[in-house]
Amino acid sequence: EVQLVQSGAEVKKPGESLKISCKGSGYRFTSYWIGWVRQMPGKGLEWMGIIYPSDSDTRYSPSFQGQVTISADKSISTAYLQWSSLKASDTAMYYCARFPGNGRLDYWGQGTLVTVSS
Amino acid sequence: QSALTQPPSASGSPGQSVTISCTGTSSDVGSYNYVSWYQQHPGKAPKVVIYEVSKRPSGVPERFSGSKSGNTASLTVSGLQAEDEADYYCSSYAGNNNLVFGGGTKLTVL
Repeated sequence: EVQLVQSGAEVKKPGESLKISCKGSGYRFTSYWIGWVRQMPGKGLEWMGIIYPSDSDTRYSPSFQGQVTISADKSISTAYLQWSSLKASDTAMYYCARFPGNGRLDYWGQGTLVTVSS
Repeated sequence: QSALTQPPSASGSPGQSVTISCTGTSSDVGSYNYVSWYQQHPGKAPKVVIYEVSKRPSGVPERFSGSKSGNTASLTVSGLQAEDEADYYCSSYAGNNNLVFGGGTKLTVL
């Protein structure tokens, strides 16, 4: 069974750094891209970017380029999303999802809620 | 890239059909047959109900169907049921392994 399991909820202060994770299982992790999606409170889905764990080829949405870093450790089947200096506006639910290459996100993680507040 | 345009809300009575539109540009919806639709219930992760414009993943009822004409894609839910009440998002491939989402449509079953 394909599963993407994300790390737990985080509460951080503005200016702090953060790295959240997404662990894949039940399939060959290195054969599929993993994408990240933001959902701000009460708002819609936003595409952040994507990584191919086999070679760490990474693409960012123009809206998120330079704002976050996407990485992966194929040895432990885990993808990451990180911030070097959080802002209150980064408060959101973040989802990872598997991208089999036909434009769809077929399996989703359960989401990681990030709250940034002073 | 700009978000795809969806109506903020749609509604229908049980048993009726409802269609949700998703308008993009010639750089996304108009260029690729890679439009997907996602259903999201409150507090849950999204779930794909249509991909590649009109294909249904295993387990998704036949009541869900998709189509595309030019820069506009559509999701039709026939024979509405109470459990179809949810937010629906379209997405399109936009090249370079990037996607773009629509703003979402809240479907209410009256």
